[in-house]
Amino acid sequence: HLQLQESGPGLVKPSETLSLTCTVSGGSISSSSYYWGWIRQPPGKGLEWIGSMYYSGRTYYNSSLTSRVTISVDTSKNQFSLKLSSVTAADTAVYYCVRHPAVGAGPIWYFDYWGQGTLVTVSS
Amino acid sequence: QSALTQPPSASGSPGQTVTISCTGTRSDIGRYNYVSWYQQYPGKAPKLLIYEVSKRPSGVPDRFSGSKSGNTASLTVSGLQAEDESDYYCSSYLGDNNVVFGGGTKLTVL
Repeated sequence: HLQLQESGPGLVKPSETLSLTCTVSGGSISSSSYYWGWIRQPPGKGLEWIGSMYYSGRTYYNSSLTSRVTISVDTSKNQFSLKLSSVTAADTAVYYCVRHPAVGAGPIWYFDYWGQGTLVTVSS
Repeated sequence: QSALTQPPSASGSPGQTVTISCTGTRSDIGRYNYVSWYQQYPGKAPKLLIYEVSKRPSGVPDRFSGSKSGNTASLTVSGLQAEDESDYYCSSYLGDNNVVFGGGTKLTVL
């Protein structure tokens, strides 16, 4: 049974870098059948896709966040990570790690497994 | 990119049928069959209900169905049950490896 678990600081200061890790259990992050990504949800608001990564290192980012986002993978630990730089209060949100299918190394755009989410607050 | 447009709320009585719309443009919903729907209970992670417009993952009741016409996708919940009261979000592929969500619809079972 696949499980995704987010971890990282719950409080980040403005202008600093938000860093989160997603640990995958019950499945391999090196599978050629899936992409791994991040989605966030500000309190009381809707969902926003941040970006996704293939085990090979291929990444895709939301065009509105691409200058601040880095997603990386550590296959030895079955983990992938999110870094979001120069954060402001607008980055306060619940951050979810997710899985979505791949076909021929290209992403298929629906998210079939979600972590429970972790709230990150940006405040001094 | 702009979010897809969903009505903020919808409601129905037990046993009724409710349809939630999701309006995009000819560049997203109108062009691609990568529309998906998610159900989210308060404080919980979203759960995939429908993918590729009308396909249901294993375990999702067939009371939930999806469709698309032009630039608008729809989620229909038949035989409404109390447990269906939650938030619903649509999503569509935008092309160029980007995806966008709708603003969400709160479904109330009267």
